[in-house]
Amino acid sequence: ETGVTQTPRHLVMGMTNKKSLKCEQHLGHNAMYWYKQSAKKPLELMFVYNFKEQTENNSVPSRFSPECPNSSHLFLHLHTLQPEDSALYLCASSRAAGEGREILEQYFGPGTRLTVT
Amino acid sequence: GDSVTQMEGPVTLSEEAFLTINCTYTATGYPSLFWYVQYPGEGLQLLLKATKADDKGSNKGFEATYRKETTSFHLEKGSVQVSDSAVYFCALSENSGYALNFGKGTSLLVTP
Repeated sequence: ETGVTQTPRHLVMGMTNKKSLKCEQHLGHNAMYWYKQSAKKPLELMFVYNFKEQTENNSVPSRFSPECPNSSHLFLHLHTLQPEDSALYLCASSRAAGEGREILEQYFGPGTRLTVT
Repeated sequence: GDSVTQMEGPVTLSEEAFLTINCTYTATGYPSLFWYVQYPGEGLQLLLKATKADDKGSNKGFEATYRKETTSFHLEKGSVQVSDSAVYFCALSENSGYALNFGKGTSLLVTP
């Protein structure tokens, strides 16, 4: 496997279910991200992990719970979601931010298409 | 705060036509600018980037020039192909962090 992979690619869940999205990167990066992509809206950054530590939570509801057990894996645990949470969830990775001016190019996975019924 | 505005789509062009997708930005500092492309059923791929004023990013026949005076980073291609049909996203990143601010995306459809 190369690049950034995400599983499952499609998920349908009821509002009372609990499910998890998985992301794995094979690029040797130390920063990982979750984005939400909804129709007609800009991509929304949800969470950022830098060397396994969460460094940004963009006011995301607590029904979304991220987990980063190591620099290669990122999970998004879902529970009691709402229909408006239906979207494409994208994972990305990059080198970690260091000192000085640098460009951190992000590499994206194919996404998980989530439908909440 | 920082933001990116790009032209609404969809944009429909015939093969070999000239493409321009407009992108303007608002930022407090000196951001880096990116164009990402998303093909159907796939994640976003970095298409090109520019890190300072007057830089020109280019890749696969696409070009964009960082214009600080007009706060713009318009995407151009001289002759589009059917395989260029995708959604194109303009984005910026302040160099003090690593969060990307994306525009809403512009859908491009190229017909034979």
